[in-house]
Amino acid sequence: GAVVSQHPSWVICKSGTSVKIECRSLDFQATTMFWYRQFPKQSLMLMATSNEGSKATYEQGVEKDKFLINHASLTLSTLTVTSAHPEDSSFYICSAWDRGSNTEAFFGQGTRLTVV
Amino acid sequence: AQSVTQLDSQVPVFEEAPVELRCNYSSSVSVYLFWYVQYPNQGLQLLLKYLSGSTLVKGINGFEAEFNKSQTSFHLRKPSVHISDTAEYFCAVSAGGAAGNKLTFGGGTRVLVKP
Repeated sequence: GAVVSQHPSWVICKSGTSVKIECRSLDFQATTMFWYRQFPKQSLMLMATSNEGSKATYEQGVEKDKFLINHASLTLSTLTVTSAHPEDSSFYICSAWDRGSNTEAFFGQGTRLTVV
Repeated sequence: AQSVTQLDSQVPVFEEAPVELRCNYSSSVSVYLFWYVQYPNQGLQLLLKYLSGSTLVKGINGFEAEFNKSQTSFHLRKPSVHISDTAEYFCAVSAGGAAGNKLTFGGGTRVLVKP
């Protein structure tokens, strides 16, 4: 199957700093990627839909100025957590649809963010 | 809009016993249905999917699921579990049709396989 690579797999940062998470589709093109957030022992909550070459669409309640999304190419989307605070600590997962198959989303391995 | 309900948050089961994870959904349009497995601190791995056709879908690792349109269910089953099946399982739906439709997840079911 198609591969989605997410980097880094874990990161610890100081409160007030910014952190960038990358999501790459390695062997397919993805016009659309999705960013999810997962709290411990909970389900995945969609944060935003990342569209190549245009602005991301954020879900209700997600601060677009805190969670900056850039989808500059068909294989790369980035999520930047700006001015991070401890409450932003979470597991972030990206996914992408394979344009070719159109029937399945592939997920990155996730990024564990800890803000101290 | 779609919604997904996984009726069991935790399912303890003994090794080599069968297991069923229940999933019900609601949607005003046709949907694709998926089951994913998540191991600790990892992303999601697709177990199986229903797009159309046969309502009994077979996936990886011996899992299967049956789509029941009248009951809006997509329950996941495995006849004999292994210790390695201990994980979190998520049922998800997406609106059928165009590419890039977002997934709506159920709350997840934690399966704990006991020796």
